[in-house]
Amino acid sequence: AQSVTQLGSHVSVSEGALVLLRCNYSSSVPPYLFWYVQYPNQGLQLLLKYTTGATLVKGINGFEAEFKKSETSFHLTKPSAHMSDAAEYFCAVTPGNAGNMLTFGGGTRLMVKP
Amino acid sequence: DVKVTQSSRYLVKRTGEKVFLECVQDMDHENMFWYRQDPGLGLRLIYFSYDVKMKEKGDIPEGYSVSREKKERFSLILESASTNQTSMYLCASSVKYEQYFGPGTRLTVT
Repeated sequence: AQSVTQLGSHVSVSEGALVLLRCNYSSSVPPYLFWYVQYPNQGLQLLLKYTTGATLVKGINGFEAEFKKSETSFHLTKPSAHMSDAAEYFCAVTPGNAGNMLTFGGGTRLMVKP
Repeated sequence: DVKVTQSSRYLVKRTGEKVFLECVQDMDHENMFWYRQDPGLGLRLIYFSYDVKMKEKGDIPEGYSVSREKKERFSLILESASTNQTSMYLCASSVKYEQYFGPGTRLTVT
């Protein structure tokens, strides 16, 4: 079974500051990992994904995440926050190549202060 | 671009009503999913389908049923709506593991 924990249901940063959203997972098999973003009153949009290969993955809008197997983490970062990054972010995991099912974390709402 | 559409963005129903939420995808995906989203709980899977007329229960199927008569359409049915089913409902479709989401239906049951 898989599970995902996102530390911090709300994160607030100033515009231009580093964004760090934390995600830890548990999985009995090598996982595939995802970050989704949800803007107000919209569905979820894929930001980035890790399947195999390079552990640092880059996504849309300047976000990136690093898969750290030893720490069972997949934290999302962006060097400089923009007002348009204000949204809710979800981390998700699926059991590698055998999975169609995603298990989601509880979500982190990112607020960006001017 | 993959497009997943949901029949309503906002819906208000009374307790005890039968409610239909419709989802259509245009990419010939075999897999379709219904989730509900509640603050602090993330997305929880209600039902999913791997093929036409095929359905599997997710984590919270109680009080819900589904129908998939055509590959592109997956319907969620609340047989008798209750106030604890007030939530955001999200539909998704996928090929393999990458899921594409619709805009969601915010359902209020009064």
